[in-house]
Amino acid sequence: DVKVTQSSRYLVKRTGEKVFLECVQDMDHENMFWYRQDPGLGLRLIYFSYDVKMKEKGDIPEGYSVSREKKERFSLILESASTNQTSMYLCASSPDGMGKRSEAFFGQGTRLTVV
Amino acid sequence: AQKVTQAQTEISVVEKEDVTLDCVYETRDTTYYLFWYKQPPSGELVFLIRRNSFDEQNEISGRYSWNFQKSTSSFNFTITASQVVDSAVYFCALLTRGGGADGLTFGKGTHLIIQP
Repeated sequence: DVKVTQSSRYLVKRTGEKVFLECVQDMDHENMFWYRQDPGLGLRLIYFSYDVKMKEKGDIPEGYSVSREKKERFSLILESASTNQTSMYLCASSPDGMGKRSEAFFGQGTRLTVV
Repeated sequence: AQKVTQAQTEISVVEKEDVTLDCVYETRDTTYYLFWYKQPPSGELVFLIRRNSFDEQNEISGRYSWNFQKSTSSFNFTITASQVVDSAVYFCALLTRGGGADGLTFGKGTHLIIQP
């Protein structure tokens, strides 16, 4: 059974803290993604990675960075958390893109609150 | 640039009614994929369907059906005889070959409420 696992369902952090959100997939997928979900805004792409040590900015990368040292793990980093980063964060993975299977599989989400 | 519009923010119907969720997309690419995802209260997005731009056949899966019309750039989703378990947020999404960032462009979602 395919699986994308996010390390925390709920997280509360203080302003200015460095925050790590972890995501692991067991499907040997090349592509991994971090999205942010906010009411009325839907899902917005923060960063994605198509290979180990490779990363690309999405639509809203400001204030975030990512790390992909191993194929199965994709970490989202908030260098200095701010209250406007309070949100639901969703990780996803997918096989090689266009021309092959393209559906993405999602984790259960991490609801981050920055106080 | 890619764009997906789900004009219905929230829909509320009584159980057993049919309901259609609208999705309109914009892209200049000729090759693209359209998706529907369901997000129940548990939070995880669940894949429902993928349709590529060369396949305009409608699809039916049990109580679910999808109508893809390239002429109107729409990919609507209909639930027949709705049930309370269908209550969720539904997202339409678009994947193109070269539209800037890879990954899916999502609509803002439609919150579907099925009342018993």
